[in-house]
Amino acid sequence: GAVVSQHPSRVICKSGTSVKIECRSLDFQATTMFWYRQFPKQSLMLMATSNEGSKATYEQGVEKDKFLINHASLTLSTLTVTSAHPEDSSFYICSAKVVTAYEQYFGPGTRLTVT
Amino acid sequence: QKEVEQNSGPLSVPEGAIASLNCTYSDRGSQSFFWYRQYSGKSPELIMSIYSNGDKEDGRFTAQLNKASQYVSLLIRDSQPSDSATYLCAGGYSGAGSYQLTFGKGTKLSVIP
Repeated sequence: GAVVSQHPSRVICKSGTSVKIECRSLDFQATTMFWYRQFPKQSLMLMATSNEGSKATYEQGVEKDKFLINHASLTLSTLTVTSAHPEDSSFYICSAKVVTAYEQYFGPGTRLTVT
Repeated sequence: QKEVEQNSGPLSVPEGAIASLNCTYSDRGSQSFFWYRQYSGKSPELIMSIYSNGDKEDGRFTAQLNKASQYVSLLIRDSQPSDSATYLCAGGYSGAGSYQLTFGKGTKLSVIP
């Protein structure tokens, strides 16, 4: 149980283009999904919290117009990196939780490379 | 400022030994704590959650929580080379309309065959 998938697992895009990453909870309904970013040899950095049907709440320093988050259903959240730049290259990981528990379950992550 | 501190390591233990990983937290309001294992290049995997003072055992893993000392630990018995990974400690707190986690920077564990 508590399986979270992410797609794509790896993506390379050119500078200035946009990339969409999907996060799905496969066997449970996720009332809340989280998006993290992790640079090499660093810990997870929370980017935003997304509650189903509501606007995402972004952490300080994260540009909401650059990182668009949509959580339209209880099993799907998407992160769109708009006008990507090389400094956006990172490991993006989503997680999901149910309203009745505190645990977060992570997707396998998406490695983004912007050339 | 909610902070979770971990010794970055690396912590090296011989195969079959007990690995002891420690974590302290600053927010006395945190009520739940989690240990995640992260292999290089992979995403974190939940190993243990603990909410009450004392010990919680699951197979070779034992989590310990001492709220008075704001201290959480993870013991891995009979360590195996496959346990070699970075272990992330996280504390939970209410924020942004949901329950969020604050992660430590992780302790890298190496189990030597």
